[in-house]
Amino acid sequence: SQQGEEDPQALSIQEGENATMNCSYKTSINNLQWYRQNSGRGLVHLILIRSNEREKHSGRLRVTLDTSKKSSSLLITASRAADTASYFCATGLNTGTASKLTFGTGTRLQVTL
Amino acid sequence: DAGVTQSPTHLIKTRGQQVTLRCSPKSGHDTVSWYQQALGQGPQFIFQYYEEEERQRGNFPDRFSGHQFPNYSSELNVNALLLGDSALYLCASSFRGGSRFTGELFFGEGSRLTVL
Repeated sequence: SQQGEEDPQALSIQEGENATMNCSYKTSINNLQWYRQNSGRGLVHLILIRSNEREKHSGRLRVTLDTSKKSSSLLITASRAADTASYFCATGLNTGTASKLTFGTGTRLQVTL
Repeated sequence: DAGVTQSPTHLIKTRGQQVTLRCSPKSGHDTVSWYQQALGQGPQFIFQYYEEEERQRGNFPDRFSGHQFPNYSSELNVNALLLGDSALYLCASSFRGGSRFTGELFFGEGSRLTVL
């Protein structure tokens, strides 16, 4: 079953605009991660935010985490056509000798010239 | 430095057949996780292997089984294939040993299985 739900399911913007994607989850987490996937290929890790962090930056990416609301957002600033992809949030939970990522349903981002 | 490699990239099977998918983790990684991604959906966790043992399992039937070898590579086996098993199967590796475990996963490009 999916842990997270991304919103919106699809987003279309023009190059240079900012893109914001939201993720909600249901259970306790150790961290929340965002991944990118191009056209049904492998996923690429973008950024990880721990449960005791509220905001994190990496290049043009800004992630926020609100554990009280069980939600996160990913902001991509000054988007480029190359940012066109599906974006997934994933909640991480470490339990002793195992760890598990539970992915959301994804946001399909289309950036047009 | 080679990343995560998976084989085969594409395969077609018929209902009732069996399939084996293979994964070599990124150099230095010791943990392998398998995910199933149906078209238009997010990846679903199948199971995770560490030290040649299945450490955690998602909500998948026993038809799905796996193995991890001493060199950390892994196989995913699916028996008695159903049409609904058609999906992209993703392998992901990470390093669990000591304090370096961060939770970040490195994914392969996947094996796309079509069941007819």
